[in-house]
Amino acid sequence: EPEVTQTPSHQVTQMGQEVILRCVPISNHLYFYWYRQILGQKVEFLVSFYNNEISEKSEIFDDQFSVERPDGSNFTLKIRSTKLEDSAMYFCASSSPRDSPNEKLFFGSGTQLSVL
Amino acid sequence: SQQGEEDPQALSIQEGENATMNCSYKTSINNLQWYRQNSGRGLVHLILIRSNEREKHSGRLRVTLDTSKKSSSLLITASRAADTASYFCATDKDQGAQKLVFGQGTRLTINP
Repeated sequence: EPEVTQTPSHQVTQMGQEVILRCVPISNHLYFYWYRQILGQKVEFLVSFYNNEISEKSEIFDDQFSVERPDGSNFTLKIRSTKLEDSAMYFCASSSPRDSPNEKLFFGSGTQLSVL
Repeated sequence: SQQGEEDPQALSIQEGENATMNCSYKTSINNLQWYRQNSGRGLVHLILIRSNEREKHSGRLRVTLDTSKKSSSLLITASRAADTASYFCATDKDQGAQKLVFGQGTRLTINP
């Protein structure tokens, strides 16, 4: 079965550094998402992306965050200047054009970001 | 409680028994979904129930939705050790909404 792949699986960075988390969504999917899960807390929505633009974002997704689909396969999340509180598991997800947005999301295995 | 609260927070049962997990939410919804997360892995979609549906089945899974009580339950019948995971409900507020709100999850342990 096709799957969403994320790299790296673990990323350690120093506070204030920029990080780019990479995702390859399922090839025929059109809706893309980033969620995050701080240890012991709920999975939180960050941003959704469709037709090469952000379609919705949460309060968490401030100016430090950006997303990009640089080519036909990759979908990236950039955190410009990381803070300690950005430490979390970041999940990329995508959904099929056969389903409405938000129905049956396919999640990657996540990137564990640790900000020191 | 916040949108999408599951109970119990943790459930431990013997293999072969049925497991029931509940989810409550506060606002009106378009649909409700259940996802499973194995430790350290991504979430896997299990089942979706729409706001105009009351019950849905998929294999050993049975989901109910009571919009008057703003609650849903997930029943796993004849549990197996491989069902050990965390289970989350997720709601979206409007049709076409791009944001899912997840609950805290129920940690299910199936003892052999």
